[in-house]
Amino acid sequence: QSALTQPPSASGSPGQSVTISCTGTNSDVGAYNYVAWYQQRPGNAPKLMIYDVTKRPSGVPDRFSGSKSGNTASLTVSELQAEDEAVYYCSSYAGENSLYVFGTGTEVTLL
Amino acid sequence: EVQLVESGGDLVKPGGSLRLSCVGSGFSFHNAWMIWVRQAPGKGLEWVGRIRSKVEADRTYYPAPVKGRFTISRDDSKSTLFLQMNNLKAEDTGFYFCATEGSASMNFWGRGTLVTVSS
Repeated sequence: QSALTQPPSASGSPGQSVTISCTGTNSDVGAYNYVAWYQQRPGNAPKLMIYDVTKRPSGVPDRFSGSKSGNTASLTVSELQAEDEAVYYCSSYAGENSLYVFGTGTEVTLL
Repeated sequence: EVQLVESGGDLVKPGGSLRLSCVGSGFSFHNAWMIWVRQAPGKGLEWVGRIRSKVEADRTYYPAPVKGRFTISRDDSKSTLFLQMNNLKAEDTGFYFCATEGSASMNFWGRGTLVTVSS
């Protein structure tokens, strides 16, 4: 199972928005509405930000939103803040045998 | 508050074995599906084992790179998850995180434990 494709980096000014793409295949992203997004700050464990494509866990700001079209999912971070600087990983359910496939990771930086 | 604390990471030679532990608290451990995820230094995430709850017969899952070498298990009486790793290879080096599995996602994570495989 190949990793999902994400851009290596994305950036935006404080208060602006940034959108990260996550491209998979008909066997993972395109097959299930089970895309999740994780935020990982340096030296920390990943933190779940979005699950089931669009849902936010309790405590995650509504500045974070997810969507999907075909084999590509997206994470949008609105009203960028300094605390949003991190690496973001997507993941998708890929069936009972493969279970999960993760994305390559996107580093978000503020300009 | 959900807490997951991993331990057992160490420096081990290629071909060696290691057993990782993860103690959970703040949630119903015996009902939880649990998963181990690893991260090589400076690299991305990779799941390496998943175990369902006892009502689902503790069914286990492994990806191809570790199948036959890694074994995931649990002791619900001690709210502890284990990962037995045998015949370790250099490419197994990395941080190992345990996590609770929610809706096709990992909703709570531990801080991780470092495994280094080197001669």
